[in-house]
Amino acid sequence: GPKVLQIPSHQIIDMGQMVTLNCDPVSNHLYFYWYKQILGQQMEFLVNFYNGKVMEKSKLFKDQFSVERPDGSYFTLKIQPTALEDSAVYFCASSPWGGGRAETLYFGSGTRLTVL
Amino acid sequence: TQTVSQSDAHVTVFEGDSVELRCNYSYGGSIYLSWYIQHHGRGLQFLLKYYSGNPVVQGVNGFKAEFSKSDSSFHLRKASVHWSDSAVYFCAVSATQGGRALIFGTGTTVSVSP
Repeated sequence: GPKVLQIPSHQIIDMGQMVTLNCDPVSNHLYFYWYKQILGQQMEFLVNFYNGKVMEKSKLFKDQFSVERPDGSYFTLKIQPTALEDSAVYFCASSPWGGGRAETLYFGSGTRLTVL
Repeated sequence: TQTVSQSDAHVTVFEGDSVELRCNYSYGGSIYLSWYIQHHGRGLQFLLKYYSGNPVVQGVNGFKAEFSKSDSSFHLRKASVHWSDSAVYFCAVSATQGGRALIFGTGTTVSVSP
């Protein structure tokens, strides 16, 4: 089936550094998402993105977070600067834009971010 | 704001048993509901969804769920589980108006013993 790829699978950085998480969504999808999961716990919505704009964001999407998708490239989540509490697995997802709301999300396998 | 709750954090069953995973939601407007499965170390995979029509929804691998407006529920069931069904199951809700954010419950871990 359709696949969302996330690169890298694991990233370790020092607190205060910048990190960029990359997502290659399903090729004909138009809506993109980031979720945060802290070790086996709830999947927390961070942000969704369509047509070059953030459509919705949660309170977890701090000022240090940003997303973008330059034409034809990865959908990225950038954290600058990172904090210890940013350690988690970040999942990217995408969905087609069919005009309706009952769409299926396709998830990547996640990037485990460890902030030291 | 829509919310979703899964009352069971962990369920243990034997292979061949039936299983029911409970999901309740709260929201004043119309919504759509879905279930996703997460195997260890993997991303979420779609199982099934309900938007309108027949309240009993058939999904992949023998899973089905039933929507009940009166109970505000969308419980997931499988008649006979397999060891490969061991995973975390997430119920999710999204409003049909306004935002598209899919909000997940806390998940139910299903352990299938041989």
